Amino acid sequence: GQQVMQIPQYQHVQEGEDFTTYCNSSTTLSNIQWYKQRPGGHPVFLIQLVKSGEVKKQKRLTFQFGEAKKNSSLHITATQTTDVGTYFCAGGGAGSYQLTFGKGTKLSVIP
Amino acid sequence: DGGITQSPKYLFRKEGQNVTLSCEQNLNHDAMYWYRQDPGQGLRLIYYSQIVNDFQKGDIAEGYSVSREKKESFPLTVTSAQKNPTAFYLCASSIFATSNQPQHFGDGTRLSIL
Repeated sequence: GQQVMQIPQYQHVQEGEDFTTYCNSSTTLSNIQWYKQRPGGHPVFLIQLVKSGEVKKQKRLTFQFGEAKKNSSLHITATQTTDVGTYFCAGGGAGSYQLTFGKGTKLSVIP
Repeated sequence: DGGITQSPKYLFRKEGQNVTLSCEQNLNHDAMYWYRQDPGQGLRLIYYSQIVNDFQKGDIAEGYSVSREKKESFPLTVTSAQKNPTAFYLCASSIFATSNQPQHFGDGTRLSIL
């Protein structure tokens, strides 16, 4: 079955430093989605990427979808304490009814 | 204000007991999902439902059961056959049951063994 690997599992950064999490799928994806889960909260949808090589930005967050549609990344520029949480990627295959979630990257920001 | 409501927030189960977690949505979404979250394990799919009166097993369905009698409701029963039920359970919904649709999550239920 489809597997989605996400690294790193944990990341501690000083406030103001950049942060990147990477996602790799064992199969070609039709789309990839990113979610953020704050401590004690539930996952919240951030963005969806569907096109090969697509890049989308949300303020300090930059999302990329690989040319082969098997990998993706989320980059945060100049982290803030409000960025703390776990970031999940979730991949969907063509014709699939379900998303496969990565295990997430837990981001800690040291003020 | 549309959303997904899960109850209770915290639940305790005794040995040999079945417990039911509630999930209600007023988003008029066709698809609903149940996930289990364990520390460091991400989200694992238990069951999903594309439409009323239909549901499919996910990756870890053993020891769980569901029903979908109404569009708005998708309760999950954790049976006594689930030997390690302690986890955070998340219910989600999407407009349609395809992997292209973003999912909206409830606040979750934390289940613990007594």
